[in-house]
Amino acid sequence: NAGVTQTPKFRVLKTGQSMTLLCAQDMNHEYMYWYRQDPGMGLRLIHYSVGEGTTAKGEVPDGYNVSRLKKQNFLLGLESAAPSQTSVYFCAIKDLDIYTFGSGTRLTVV
Amino acid sequence: EDQVTQSPEALRLQEGESSSLNCSYTVSGLRGLFWYRQDPGKGPEFLFTLYSAGEEKEKERLKATLTKKESFLHITAPKPEDSATYLCAVRSGNTPLVFGKGTRLSVIA
Repeated sequence: NAGVTQTPKFRVLKTGQSMTLLCAQDMNHEYMYWYRQDPGMGLRLIHYSVGEGTTAKGEVPDGYNVSRLKKQNFLLGLESAAPSQTSVYFCAIKDLDIYTFGSGTRLTVV
Repeated sequence: EDQVTQSPEALRLQEGESSSLNCSYTVSGLRGLFWYRQDPGKGPEFLFTLYSAGEEKEKERLKATLTKKESFLHITAPKPEDSATYLCAVRSGNTPLVFGKGTRLSVIA
């Protein structure tokens, strides 16, 4: 989706490995969000940020850490991946009231 | 705690067969109800925002309406390209969007 870039698009991890998902915006929006989407569960908020240097917990934050060192980037980290973290991860930015989502990262933990 | 319930979970329509999707919500002070469309393998795409009971918005074959307890997404004479998952979300105060689980729509030619 234009303006919000997520990398990588796909990744397979072994249990216990770590990784970082990157969300980058080419605009200047303050608010950024990380959601995960699982079959039958809908989109659930992991962490979010209301500006550079700020982060806050969402509905399902356990097992994840985030950082917003630069306004354009919002990083989602998994320190020790677990099979329960197999999911599709979406980043979003808020422009006025409208959320614009990236195209997602499909993560499988084996 | 904000809650959003969408029904049905899945809906199969013949091309041209109009129907409605339901989104019922519980929030402490609605600041906006949002409809998104999601195609397989893609991120959700914004459709509508509704702010107050009685408000309606239209886009092509889609019309969204809002009451104090629920929202409907009416699909008139659907085409196969309308097949997607439709997501409803609400916002109260300055909190992030809370999403329902979605309705998976299939339109058969």
